[in-house]
Amino acid sequence: SQTIHQWPATLVQPVGSPLSLECTVEGTSNPNLYWYRQAAGRGLQLLFYSVGIGQISSEVPQNLSASRPQDRQFILSSKKLLLSDSGFYLCAWSGGGTIYFGEGSWLTVV
Amino acid sequence: KQEVTQIPAALSVPEGENLVLNCSFTDSAIYNLQWFRQDPGKGLTSLLLIQSSQREQTSGRLNASLDKSSGRSTLYIAASQPGDSATYLCAVKDQAGTALIFGKGTTLSVSS
Repeated sequence: SQTIHQWPATLVQPVGSPLSLECTVEGTSNPNLYWYRQAAGRGLQLLFYSVGIGQISSEVPQNLSASRPQDRQFILSSKKLLLSDSGFYLCAWSGGGTIYFGEGSWLTVV
Repeated sequence: KQEVTQIPAALSVPEGENLVLNCSFTDSAIYNLQWFRQDPGKGLTSLLLIQSSQREQTSGRLNASLDKSSGRSTLYIAASQPGDSATYLCAVKDQAGTALIFGKGTTLSVSS
């Protein structure tokens, strides 16, 4: 069966520090991969999606970036965090039908 | 640009009541529609997926309908239980079929 792992689960970072959130999927190949952000009082916002290795589409202009170095690995990064980057970050995958989410990463920028 | 709206934003009901959650979307050219459940501080769990060619899907006490022409979907929960308390999210995938666009959710509270 397929599983999705996302880490770290929680982190507190100072403004201006770098960020790296990692997501891996097991049990499937060539999945579509997604990063979403859920800020307080707002809906889920699609940040990036990828349909293959090295193929990244950005939905929202921001100081975040994403990379897909391997088929089942998706990384969300920032060189310098802003206060507004605080939120709940969710990685997800789909094979074209149902989408499956990881448990999420809580990021607090202080 | 596709927009998804969910009404109401919050709902409180006593245990045992049947209830309906509403979802509307602005562009009817969708690939599919999915309902999710999110418990506080957790990720999302898929409840039901309706393809654009379907009109409804059922799973246990849950029934989701889709009226693509009017841009509406409903999630019906029968005989609600306290364990149903959570936020319910609706999301649509456009015919490009790449990513889901979410509504802001309906937070349901079922009291015993």
